Amino acid sequence: DQQVKQNSPSLSVQEGRISILNCDYTNSMFDYFLWYKKYPAEGPTFLISISSIKDKNEDGRFTVFLNKSAKHLSLHIVPSQPGDSAVYFCAASARKTSGSRLTFGEGTQLTVNP
Amino acid sequence: DTAVSQTPKYLVTQMGNDKSIKCEQNLGHDTMYWYKQDSKKFLKIMFSYNNKELIINETVPNRFSPKSPDKAHLNLHINSLELGDSAVYFCASSAGATSGILIGTQYFGPGTRLTVL
Repeated sequence: DQQVKQNSPSLSVQEGRISILNCDYTNSMFDYFLWYKKYPAEGPTFLISISSIKDKNEDGRFTVFLNKSAKHLSLHIVPSQPGDSAVYFCAASARKTSGSRLTFGEGTQLTVNP
Repeated sequence: DTAVSQTPKYLVTQMGNDKSIKCEQNLGHDTMYWYKQDSKKFLKIMFSYNNKELIINETVPNRFSPKSPDKAHLNLHINSLELGDSAVYFCASSAGATSGILIGTQYFGPGTRLTVL
């Protein structure tokens, strides 16, 4: 049972435009969400996170939006740069019941074209 | 200064062999993890240690045995390697359940690509 889903395996955008990566979850106990970026042959790198008490968190070009009623979160990258090309993983944790255990989505390959 | 390091980066071995992967973190974290990324690219938790104590033990074959000699190290030993063990194994660490602030934010090593022939 895949509790965290990223339904788009790939996304291609033009440099300077907005990239929107989506993630859906099914476990209502999830209360903390994270996005990781992964380059080939490297480990995932933490990008940005959001607690369930918020609906938006912003860090520079990266903004994460959380819609708890829809069990949906998205990562916006504005403006997109070629160096953003990587696989993006959505992850979630239910801190009260499962501590720091993370459940990952299957990833979305983002390609930013110059 | 690598925060989470793993050795070796690549490991090619024959079926039936026993091998170990080492992980070290210099972030001062008290919780460490092992993940497996399979051929479908899913990242799945295998084990987690908090202050050298096993706190997460997913359904993995008992051929896999983690060992944490201290808070900064979590090694993974695999006995009687099988073809299906071929994957990329990632170590990670976090500040753990006691921090309250960084809980859930895990920092990953570069991965160890294991190939079993």
